[in-house]
Amino acid sequence: ETGVTQSPTHLIKTRGQQVTLRCSSQSGHNTVSWYQQALGQGPQFIFQYYREEENGRGNFPPRFSGLQFPNYSSELNVNALELDDSALYLCASSRGTASGNTIYFGEGSWLTVV
Amino acid sequence: GQQLNQSPQSMFIQEGEDVSMNCTSSSIFNTWLWYKQDPGEGPVLLIALYKAGELTSNGRLTAQFGITRKDSFLNISASIPSDVGIYFCAGPLTGANSKLTFGKGITLSVRP
Repeated sequence: ETGVTQSPTHLIKTRGQQVTLRCSSQSGHNTVSWYQQALGQGPQFIFQYYREEENGRGNFPPRFSGLQFPNYSSELNVNALELDDSALYLCASSRGTASGNTIYFGEGSWLTVV
Repeated sequence: GQQLNQSPQSMFIQEGEDVSMNCTSSSIFNTWLWYKQDPGEGPVLLIALYKAGELTSNGRLTAQFGITRKDSFLNISASIPSDVGIYFCAGPLTGANSKLTFGKGITLSVRP
């Protein structure tokens, strides 16, 4: 148990639809990062939120967007879904943005786009 | 961007054997992290390394931060069935921050 919870655990969407994934960070953690993990690959960094502001973004198009709320929970939104968006989406939380802080991952949300 | 290389993709060992995995990069890292991912779960941190040459243990696991800062090794001794899973190395995308880049992972199978 890492204290990071994600919902939903599994979902199926149709190409062109929009999806929202949710993450509750571990208590006291003000930093949330989102990763996309395709089958057989390592997680790839999408973006990070620190104190409700985006704090860095990976190589993902603008149709991937996010939010962080005052309680530090976070949402990942993906518009105009494509088949290649099918993946495990992982949320990770930490206390601050330095690499010395332990980063805890949730169990992920499996998204299938058909 | 910074890439981490892990090979082979899969390893098969007998229960009780030791196994060693390495992770290399063409770029310098100032933090190396080793994660394990079980099926249907998120990655779990095994060992974190912050200094070149550092050798750190966590039970049967030992990891080292290479002197060149471009590689790291993870050793598992006396393997048991629950060591099965995918092992990832990871490091900060830039500088010393918590945005991580991961290797592709090594799938470890342990034969009883």
